[in-house]
Amino acid sequence: KAGVTQTPRYLIKTRGQQVTLSCSPISGHRSVSWYQQTPGQGLQFLFEYFSETQRNKGNFPGRFSGRQFSNSRSEMNVSTLELGDSALYLCASSLGRVGYGYTFGSGTRLTVV
Amino acid sequence: KNQVEQSPQSLIILEGKNCTLQCNYTVSPFSNLRWYKQDTGRGPVSLTIMTFSENTKSNGRYTATLDADTKQSSLHITASQLSDSASYICVVSAGNYGQNFVFGPGTRLSVLP
Repeated sequence: KAGVTQTPRYLIKTRGQQVTLSCSPISGHRSVSWYQQTPGQGLQFLFEYFSETQRNKGNFPGRFSGRQFSNSRSEMNVSTLELGDSALYLCASSLGRVGYGYTFGSGTRLTVV
Repeated sequence: KNQVEQSPQSLIILEGKNCTLQCNYTVSPFSNLRWYKQDTGRGPVSLTIMTFSENTKSNGRYTATLDADTKQSSLHITASQLSDSASYICVVSAGNYGQNFVFGPGTRLSVLP
């Protein structure tokens, strides 16, 4: 079965712009979570969506937002980009129940110049 | 404060040798602990997931242990291969349904021929 698909794979944006990243989960998975990975900070949790509702949120500013559609696909939006937003953005999907694993996508490499 | 520490930060071993990576955590309430392998530029791939009642789990040449009393976990890699070169990330889930993820900084493993 298909894995978690993230698009685009690479993105270059200018400071001040906004960006939208997409994540298609594994079929049947209702939970999608987003993470930011940088060399300095490692993996950091952004937020998780389950059945179109955000049920958990990390400590990121309001410039980072997301949503989930009825088909479980999710988008993440970052507004007013800053140089420090350059990172690998990963999404993971899961059935959303305790003990079930999370399958990660390959990520979107965002570079802000 | 919920925290996950990993040691060593990096490790270099020769092909065919065994190695053990460590993970110490202070996370409450504990839900489960996962080990992920992440190749450079790719998303993490799940190796093992353990709940409170499990103290060992194997996945091929990877064996994870969990001591919930001392809040320590280890990942043992047997007969290392060049393809084992990657970052290994320990992730502890907290909360009633494991919705809060606390990531370790990872151990960078390099396997040399």
